[in-house]
Amino acid sequence: GAGVSQSPRYKVTKRGQDVALRCDPISGHVSLYWYRQALGQGPEFLTYFNYEAQQDKSGLPNDRFSAERPEGSISTLTIQRTEQRDSAMYRCASSLTGSHEQYFGPGTRLTVT
Amino acid sequence: EDQVTQSPEALRLQEGESSSLNCSYTVSGLRGLFWYRQDPGKGPEFLFTLYSAGEEKEKERLKATITKKESFLHITAPKPEDSATYLCAVANQAGTALIFGKGTTLSVSS
Repeated sequence: GAGVSQSPRYKVTKRGQDVALRCDPISGHVSLYWYRQALGQGPEFLTYFNYEAQQDKSGLPNDRFSAERPEGSISTLTIQRTEQRDSAMYRCASSLTGSHEQYFGPGTRLTVT
Repeated sequence: EDQVTQSPEALRLQEGESSSLNCSYTVSGLRGLFWYRQDPGKGPEFLFTLYSAGEEKEKERLKATITKKESFLHITAPKPEDSATYLCAVANQAGTALIFGKGTTLSVSS
């Protein structure tokens, strides 16, 4: 079946612009996660959804970052007023429930110039 | 604080030369330890979940084991296609996130 998909795969934006990154989880997966991965590092947790409820946003770096999953399926991670330090690979993952293994998407490479 | 440390950072093997990757973890109540494989330019690919000390899981040339403080990924008679970065992660106390180590980059030459 189809895995986790993310779009766009690459995004180049100018400093100060807002960006929206999309994640389409595996069908039927209740739990959805956003991570950020720097080169040579493991993924770093940003936020977690159970259905449409954002149950943990402790990893969001500051209030420029927000996420939503309004219908319990597709999720959007929004970064407002982007800064160069926001440049990274953003990865989405989904799992059947919160206690199951997570399956990752291919990621969105964000570059802020 | 929940923490995962992987060693070595990089490992170079000859084809057929078996070895082990280490993952040391500190967590307040293990809710699962996960091994992933990551190829360049791709997302992590799930390999195994281990839940309690003494548990073992196997898949082809890979075998994962776990104690109360460490997990090992044993690679038997590796092939060049096993070259990748292997990531270890633990579920946090709330079960809402995975905490990853930095990974071990394995290179297998023929």
